[in-house]
Amino acid sequence: DGGITQSPKYLFRKEGQNVTLSCEQNLNHDAMYWYRQDPGQGLRLIYYSQIVNDFQKGDIAEGYSVSREKKESFPLTVTSAQKNPTAFYLCASSIVRGSTDTQYFGPGTRLTVL
Amino acid sequence: AQSVAQPEDQVNVAEGNPLTVKCTYSVSGNPYLFWYVQYPNRGLQFLLKYITGDNLVKGSYGFEAEFNKSQTSFHLKKPSALVSDSALYFCAVRDPTSNTGKLIFGQGTTLQVKP
Repeated sequence: DGGITQSPKYLFRKEGQNVTLSCEQNLNHDAMYWYRQDPGQGLRLIYYSQIVNDFQKGDIAEGYSVSREKKESFPLTVTSAQKNPTAFYLCASSIVRGSTDTQYFGPGTRLTVL
Repeated sequence: AQSVAQPEDQVNVAEGNPLTVKCTYSVSGNPYLFWYVQYPNRGLQFLLKYITGDNLVKGSYGFEAEFNKSQTSFHLKKPSALVSDSALYFCAVRDPTSNTGKLIFGQGTTLQVKP
């Protein structure tokens, strides 16, 4: 987990609210990723970004949005359009997108919709 | 379509015995393969990866994995299991022909090591 921080650790959301999950890295990595983890389903890619001010949709981007205004930060917003947002969210980073470099993960944020 | 399968939801072993966690993959071209471990309510920790070269890859905490191209497998192994190895293990593959850097994960295998 070292070098990548996610906050908060636990987050509760009421239906209809937007919430933002924070991800910060001090590894000087170019690429950053957001994954969603559900029990028994592995991890699925939501969004990824290679450079500042550029990002692409992953496999399950609907109902989510991101920004990449700084190299070290890649916040994820879960909007009210996301129909089933309760999950464990993991941020990752790597030196360069698309290379053989390893992705390193943060400690995660558990989001629960009340 | 690229995919990863971990055929066992759970593996149970006694402490001190060897362990194997299975992984098979399907990708076009030569795969890049990874193993991660996850402890409860924590992020994923990188264990090892295979890119090219020797089919036996050594990683963290005494783990190793064997790449078998003919069987499209990348099984995780450890000669002597510890109770502290109990965790959720994920196999992942990256398609080298893709420019997204996306990892495709298996569904995970829970390893239980009993004293």
